[in-house]
Amino acid sequence: GESVGLHLPTLSVQEGDNSIINCAYSNSASDYFIWYKQESGKGPQFIIDIRSNMDKRQGQRVTVLLNKTVKHLSLQIAATQPGDSAVYFCAELRNAGNMLTFGGGTRLMVKP
Amino acid sequence: DGGITQSPKYLFRKEGQNVTLSCEQNLNHDAMYWYRQDPGQGLRLIYYSQIVNDFQKGDIAEGYSVSREKKESFPLTVTSAQKNPTAFYLCASSIVLAGDETQYFGPGTRLLVL
Repeated sequence: GESVGLHLPTLSVQEGDNSIINCAYSNSASDYFIWYKQESGKGPQFIIDIRSNMDKRQGQRVTVLLNKTVKHLSLQIAATQPGDSAVYFCAELRNAGNMLTFGGGTRLMVKP
Repeated sequence: DGGITQSPKYLFRKEGQNVTLSCEQNLNHDAMYWYRQDPGQGLRLIYYSQIVNDFQKGDIAEGYSVSREKKESFPLTVTSAQKNPTAFYLCASSIVLAGDETQYFGPGTRLLVL
């Protein structure tokens, strides 16, 4: 079946460096993607989204890039801070209804 | 967590017991969802509802039941038929509008089996 997945389960970065979290998707018909941040013991928090008619979208310190040719999504965090330590999930809108399919998550660890 | 609340934060279930997890939202969202999250894994959809008095099974509905009598509330019952209920349960809501499919999550309920 078609699914959303992640390349790296754990990413460790130095405080102040930029972080890049990757996600691969296999449903070429998907037209909407979301990145969520989940801190330990809490619910996922919306970070940023992007539609398939865009290649790039920027927020505050975060940028999402979409490469439809290779079906790849990435989340870039600038000047990573200790508070960015969390698990990051990408999610893909399914073809039918408002349901999302979630990837397995990447744990970001920020070293002081 | 926005205007979505879940209770309790921790819930203990005895073998053979049904337990109900609460989810309430004051965002005026039409759609509500229940997900299960196991340690170190992503979210799997249990049930969802896009309108009052209607709900649909998700990917892992067996052993669970829901009701949607009010727009604001979408309780999940974990029945005795669910043999491995220990997990973190997340409720979410969204509006039902093409072009705005973002789901917003509650703080979660951790269910443990005694």
